[in-house]
Amino acid sequence: DAKTTQPNSMESNEEEPVHLPCNHSTISGTDYIHWYRQLPSQGPEYVIHGLTSNVNNRMASLAIAEDRKSSTLILHRATLRDAAVYYCILRDVDNQGGKLIFGQGTELSVKP
Amino acid sequence: DAGVIQSPRHEVTEMGQEVTLRCKPISGHNSLFWYRQTMMRGLELLIYFNNNVPIDDSGMPEDRFSAKMPNASFSTLKIQPSEPRDSAVYFCASSLAYQETQYFGPGTRLLVL
Repeated sequence: DAKTTQPNSMESNEEEPVHLPCNHSTISGTDYIHWYRQLPSQGPEYVIHGLTSNVNNRMASLAIAEDRKSSTLILHRATLRDAAVYYCILRDVDNQGGKLIFGQGTELSVKP
Repeated sequence: DAGVIQSPRHEVTEMGQEVTLRCKPISGHNSLFWYRQTMMRGLELLIYFNNNVPIDDSGMPEDRFSAKMPNASFSTLKIQPSEPRDSAVYFCASSLAYQETQYFGPGTRLLVL
C-alpha cells in the first residue's frame, strides 16, 4: 500500500489560512488523494479528494504537486471548529476495493 | 437527513461477556464498513460489506469477532467472548458504493473490564 507522511501536529491562529502538508512519494497513477478529518469525540468526516488537478469545495482546497508526490490541504480561514485530526489517505479503488487506510494524521490546534 | 446511526453509544462490560454493536447505514447506501480506533493502532478497517455481502474481512482480529448484515438497513458487530484488549471506539460507516465517500457514525465506545 502506498503510504503518506504527515506532521504529527500543527498550530494555527483563528481566521488565518492553514496549509497541511502530506508527502506520498510512492503514489501510483491510480491513487486518489483523499482527506478526512476527525473532530474530537466524533467519527471521521470527508473533506476533499483529487487525482491530479487542484480541487476546491466549500470546506477546503487541495493543492497537488505536479509530480503528485505531495499535496497540501488548505483551510482558507481557520476557525476554532476546525481543530481536528486531519488524515491524508491514498485510495486506489481499483486495486484495494475501496479501502480507506488511515495513518496517524496531523492534529491541528487553532488558537483564538 | 439522518446520518449513520450506531447503538449503543457507550458499552461497559466484563471480560468474557458477549458484546453486540449495531449500525444503521444511511438509506440508499450499498456499502457498509466497520472500523476500530485505539490509541495504539489508530483507525483500522475491520470488515466491509457491499450489497449486504461481506467483501473483505481481513481486518477482523480473530474468531471472537463476527459481523453480519442481514439486510440493507442493519448490521451488527459481535464480540464473543470479549477481552480487555477489545476496548476501543468502534465506528460504522456507509457509502453509496464501495468507492464513494464514506460517512461515519458517532461511534460506540466499548470498555471491557
